[in-house]
Amino acid sequence: NAGVMQNPRHLVRRRGQEARLRCSPMKGHSHVYWYRQLPEEGLKFMVYLQKENIIDESGMPKERFSAEFPKEGPSILRIQQVVRGDSAAYFCASSPYRDGKAYEQYFGPGTRLTVT
Amino acid sequence: QKEVEQDPGPLSVPEGAIVSLNCTYSNSAFQYFMWYRQYSRKGPELLMYTYSSGNKEDGRFTAQVDKSSKYISLFIRDSQPSDSATYLCVLRQSGSARQLTFGSGTQLTVLP
Repeated sequence: NAGVMQNPRHLVRRRGQEARLRCSPMKGHSHVYWYRQLPEEGLKFMVYLQKENIIDESGMPKERFSAEFPKEGPSILRIQQVVRGDSAAYFCASSPYRDGKAYEQYFGPGTRLTVT
Repeated sequence: QKEVEQDPGPLSVPEGAIVSLNCTYSNSAFQYFMWYRQYSRKGPELLMYTYSSGNKEDGRFTAQVDKSSKYISLFIRDSQPSDSATYLCVLRQSGSARQLTFGSGTQLTVLP
């Protein structure tokens, strides 16, 4: 049973370019979460999605960042016009959802974004 | 004031020692309590998950929650070098909010 998969594991972008980070949840999990870990800081919630629906994006920066979880395929976190301050580890987590309850979240290995 | 306070360490103990890791929180809306372990440059790994005050044991790990004091602990018995990692206390509010709130993590080194 494969865990949460993220790719790429490492991504280097120049300032002004776009970054696309992908996340495939664990089998049977219908909910996806994105977190960001800045250097020397703890993980911070960004966005929570289910298939074709953003549930909570209260942690997303207002500009340049967007997320989607289409009916088919992985969840995508998109960062437009990257700046050096976007350099961080981005983690995806997934959880099952049954009987009106969300259960514990399982994390992927992360994508380390470096903006040069 | 941070929502979750966790002593960052670093904490260094000899192999076989009992390790105590602690967090405090300020918001009584937190009702779910977790401990994650994160090895260097890896994703967080869920260790313990509980939603009630009291103790929960799993092998060498015991999670303790005191909601009245807003204090949570993780005890590791017979610590091993492979336990060397950063330990994160993680909380979630009840209701529809699903986002996790992370402590800053305690870096633990178990010396052989």
